[in-house]
Amino acid sequence: DIQMTQSPSSLSASVGDRVTITCQASHDISDYLNWYQQKPGEAPKLLIYDTSNLETGVPSRFSGSGYGTDFTFTISSLQPEDIATYYCQQYDNLLPLTFGGGTKVEIK
Amino acid sequence: EVQLVESGGGFVKPGESLRISCAASGFSFSDEWMSWARQAPGRGLEWVGHIKSKVHGGEADYAAPVKGRFIISRDDSENTVYLQMNSLKTEDTAVYYCATDHWNWGQGTLVTVSS
Repeated sequence: DIQMTQSPSSLSASVGDRVTITCQASHDISDYLNWYQQKPGEAPKLLIYDTSNLETGVPSRFSGSGYGTDFTFTISSLQPEDIATYYCQQYDNLLPLTFGGGTKVEIK
Repeated sequence: EVQLVESGGGFVKPGESLRISCAASGFSFSDEWMSWARQAPGRGLEWVGHIKSKVHGGEADYAAPVKGRFIISRDDSENTVYLQMNSLKTEDTAVYYCATDHWNWGQGTLVTVSS
């Protein structure tokens, strides 16, 4: 199985701060990586697909980058509505599909 | 607009069976691979399995913890995907989500396995 190591597991930042989350794959997954936002009691929402493509309607303060085994998710200016848990997910051809452990983002 | 509505969750005892459904609309269902994922209370996300579109063979693949116990099927005439869960264990307790190939998710349905 491809393991996805996501860090940090939680972070606290101020409104307007730049927030960065990383995800490391145990094997090369090319650019087959999604990023999700999940708010309490809600389903995950796709924010970024294929590493860096912004889903329709998602604010441009969200971005993603990387290739192979190392990936980064960035919120350029944290907003109060961004409080959530964020997950990476790989969907390389090798099953099973796997998720990172999640990063809980809070406002300082 | 893509809509996925899961139903059929509930409370069951260990060893029992349950079938949950996911009704889809707003896209060409028969062309889409459909996935199930789950989230245990307070935990992260876990892929359960997927079913390919008929044009890709229609087979299903499963995660190791559910292989041999869970069966994914689809009815393209009803735009519905099913998850048949047999020999349920307490560790199967979770919110179960269906998702499209482009990872639009339903709202989930809670399955609780407890004696």
